[in-house]
Amino acid sequence: GEDVEQSLFLSVREGDSSVINCTYTDSSSTYLYWYKQEPGAGLQLLTYIFSNMDMKQDQRLTVLLNKKDKHLSLRIADTQTGDSAIYFCAETQGGKLIFGQGTELSVKP
Amino acid sequence: EAQVTQNPRYLITVTGKKLTVTCSQNMNHEYMSWYRQDPGLGLRQIYYSMNVEVTDKGDVPEGYKVSRKEKRNFPLILESPSPNQTSLYFCASSLEGGLGEQYFGPGTRLTVT
Repeated sequence: GEDVEQSLFLSVREGDSSVINCTYTDSSSTYLYWYKQEPGAGLQLLTYIFSNMDMKQDQRLTVLLNKKDKHLSLRIADTQTGDSAIYFCAETQGGKLIFGQGTELSVKP
Repeated sequence: EAQVTQNPRYLITVTGKKLTVTCSQNMNHEYMSWYRQDPGLGLRQIYYSMNVEVTDKGDVPEGYKVSRKEKRNFPLILESPSPNQTSLYFCASSLEGGLGEQYFGPGTRLTVT
């Protein structure tokens, strides 16, 4: 099938690291994306990784890509309460974006 | 300001009463798309458009219509809404379909009774 899968919930304490995982299906996906949805808002592109990369770091965000296992992860260092949101991974399939179900990140003070 | 706008933001309607949700972008993007978001299902694509007068079905097109007469506008039409179309709808646009950054509108929450 063409499902992109994520766990639905993650709860961490402020200051800890958060790791959100995703498995995707299309090995030919050129780009893989992480989007963030804050309460009551649309999605915003957080970061993306090109399929020939294993890792991409952008300030507090680290994206790891394991092409063999079709596994993508997003690590947020020093997680803050403002990071509380739903995080979606997405892959390209035939010019379309296919989204996972979203992981709701809850950051407790 | 670069943005995608949707109207209305909230709508409660009854089964069978035709409605249109408008979407407009001011970034001269070729690609526009409609998604619906349902709990536990993530975002599912309804229709997309690669350019003016070019539209294609996404993964869940049944019960919906779209048109792309102008580059900036991409309305979503529900000819005969049903309760299973109660959902949160997002319009998005980008320069390249699926390969660039997609800009999302604020969402339209539709309830069909």
